[in-house]
Amino acid sequence: EDKVVQSPLSLVVHEGDTVTLNCSYEVTNFRSLLWYKQEKKAPTFLFMLTSSGIEKKSGRLSSILDKKELFSILNITATQTGDSAIYLCAVVGFQGAQKLVFGQGTRLTINP
Amino acid sequence: DAGVTQSPTHLIKTRGQHVTLRCSPISGHKSVSWYQQVLGQGPQFIFQYYEKEERGRGNFPDRFSARQFPNYSSELNVNALLLGDSALYLCASSPISDRSTTNEKLFFGSGTQLSVL
Repeated sequence: EDKVVQSPLSLVVHEGDTVTLNCSYEVTNFRSLLWYKQEKKAPTFLFMLTSSGIEKKSGRLSSILDKKELFSILNITATQTGDSAIYLCAVVGFQGAQKLVFGQGTRLTINP
Repeated sequence: DAGVTQSPTHLIKTRGQHVTLRCSPISGHKSVSWYQQVLGQGPQFIFQYYEKEERGRGNFPDRFSARQFPNYSSELNVNALLLGDSALYLCASSPISDRSTTNEKLFFGSGTQLSVL
């Protein structure tokens, strides 16, 4: 059964710190790994990674995938209070349906 | 452009009742998926529909059913509600262009918060 494990489950840091969120996975016929940010209700898309070793970057956020070791990390530099949210990692395997298997999420709190 | 819209935003039901949740995808998106998110957990896949056909079903009992209409909107129905069905129900649409594609991001709505008393 496909599985995603995120760590840590909760993280509290001060504004300006750099954080690294971890995501390890087991999936049959890996297709892609996605990161989402969930502030209130609707998860919003951050990154989709399909190739190993290629960093995706958007402003202060970046992510990289290691398909050999089956994990991904999400980095946030110079954190701001607006970065406070739950960060969700999900994988898609080739199963005939577009089914995302999510991890439990990391609750990130940025204190001023 | 409007995003994924869901209705209602909140719903309170009692055990044994049934509920219908509604979702309108982003214009042009033909795929709609439903997820259940219990407090403190990540979303869990319930169904995917593409071009009005069920493409996939998660590990949920037959009390859960869904359908997709010609305009690509969708309904999720849950019968004989249990306390454990209390959750945030998320709908997502995707711009996949054919039935075999899975590598596209999902755009989520704000969900329906269902409370079963």
